[in-house]
Amino acid sequence: QSALTQPPSASGSPGQSVTISCTGTSSDVGGYNYVSWYQQHPGKAPKLIIYEVSKRPSGIPDRFSGSKSGNTASLTVSGLQAEDEADYYCNSYAGSKNFPHVFGTGTKVTVL
Amino acid sequence: EVQLVETGGGLIQPGGSLRLSCAASGFTVSSNYMTWVRQAPGKGLEHVSILYSGGTTYYADSVKGRFTISRDSSKNTLYLQMNSLRAEDTAVYYCGGNSGLYLRAFDIWGQGTMVTVSS
Repeated sequence: QSALTQPPSASGSPGQSVTISCTGTSSDVGGYNYVSWYQQHPGKAPKLIIYEVSKRPSGIPDRFSGSKSGNTASLTVSGLQAEDEADYYCNSYAGSKNFPHVFGTGTKVTVL
Repeated sequence: EVQLVETGGGLIQPGGSLRLSCAASGFTVSSNYMTWVRQAPGKGLEHVSILYSGGTTYYADSVKGRFTISRDSSKNTLYLQMNSLRAEDTAVYYCGGNSGLYLRAFDIWGQGTMVTVSS
């Protein structure tokens, strides 16, 4: 159950884009198209913003997009807004033989 | 309105026990798969346990043998029984659920309950 690897921090000015990577293995990220992303503001619960690699739940703006290549998934936040400043966590399904889900280490996004 | 509300956190001495509850409304705990996730102060999110709708359970290695996840369909509530608590179990504990709308993702979350293990 090793956590997926994310950069500790990322930043951008309002209106710019920021991309966060999430690196796992062929047993999780690379093996399934079930990567999800969560946004967490301080003191708040996580909020689902991307599921199945690139799909957005109802109500999530299209400024948030996801992709995957091999064992690495990515989240891009375009047109950064002040309210996008938060922690972001990826999560991958890892099959049913072992613990089925694993989170990433988390990335703090700062809007400059 | 779909809602999960956790209760049961608090200050407990090392070696003690606590039971967390997660009451659901607008959402059926037994029909969906559920998770307990914790977040130690200043740290990231960590799955503690997962319960599938069919009853299969999973535990993180760090809590295996000490924590038990369960549900009561009549009360529409998820539980986490935590025994032999250690200082490193100190965290905010969130319950999360998959509503069935989004495959392999947790779209419903409670507000969290703080567990502090200290003498």
